[in-house]
Amino acid sequence: TQLLEQSPQFLSIQEGENLTVYCNSSSVFSSLQWYRQEPGEGPVLLVTVVTGGEVKKLKRLTFQFGDARKDSSLHITAAQPGDTGLYLCAGGGISGGYNKLIFGAGTRLAVHP
Amino acid sequence: ETGVTQTPRHLVMGMTNKKSLKCEQHLGHNAMYWYKQSAKKPLELMFVYNFKEQTENNSVPSRFSPECPNSSHLFLHLHTLQPEDSALYLCASSLGTSYTDTQYFGPGTRLTVL
Repeated sequence: TQLLEQSPQFLSIQEGENLTVYCNSSSVFSSLQWYRQEPGEGPVLLVTVVTGGEVKKLKRLTFQFGDARKDSSLHITAAQPGDTGLYLCAGGGISGGYNKLIFGAGTRLAVHP
Repeated sequence: ETGVTQTPRHLVMGMTNKKSLKCEQHLGHNAMYWYKQSAKKPLELMFVYNFKEQTENNSVPSRFSPECPNSSHLFLHLHTLQPEDSALYLCASSLGTSYTDTQYFGPGTRLTVL
């Protein structure tokens, strides 16, 4: 069974601080996606990484895919209250002829002014 | 607004009721998905449809019955549910089923079973 473990589960920080969220697995994935979900809404895709060692930046967010494609990290620089939400990682790979996403349990981030 | 709509947004039902959840996508996608998100578990895939054909049933109990009349619409028919079925039910769609095809999620239906 493929599992993705996210850490930490909860994170409460002050505006302006930096943070890193981790997503780890013993399985290799073809792709790794990061989503953010706000209350009352569905997850919204932030980024997809597909190459081992790949680094992608989205404004203050930096995403990295591990060399072995088993783990990933999300780093936020100078967090803002608008970054508050549930961050989900999802590993993708073809299973049964379609892209089966395995989700982590999520990291709930609260950024206080 | 992701182009995927779900109705109703909230539903409260008794264990003997029959209800249906509806999902519609306006993105021209060919694949549609039902997921369950409960408080104590990661997001779980339930069903996958590709070009209206069911390609995955992730060991979902028969009290959940999906229907996909066309590539734009997906239903989840519910009957004789249990309180532990209370959760956020999310619909998603993607252009294709490659791992490079992004899944776009709807806002979900918050289901409470009494």
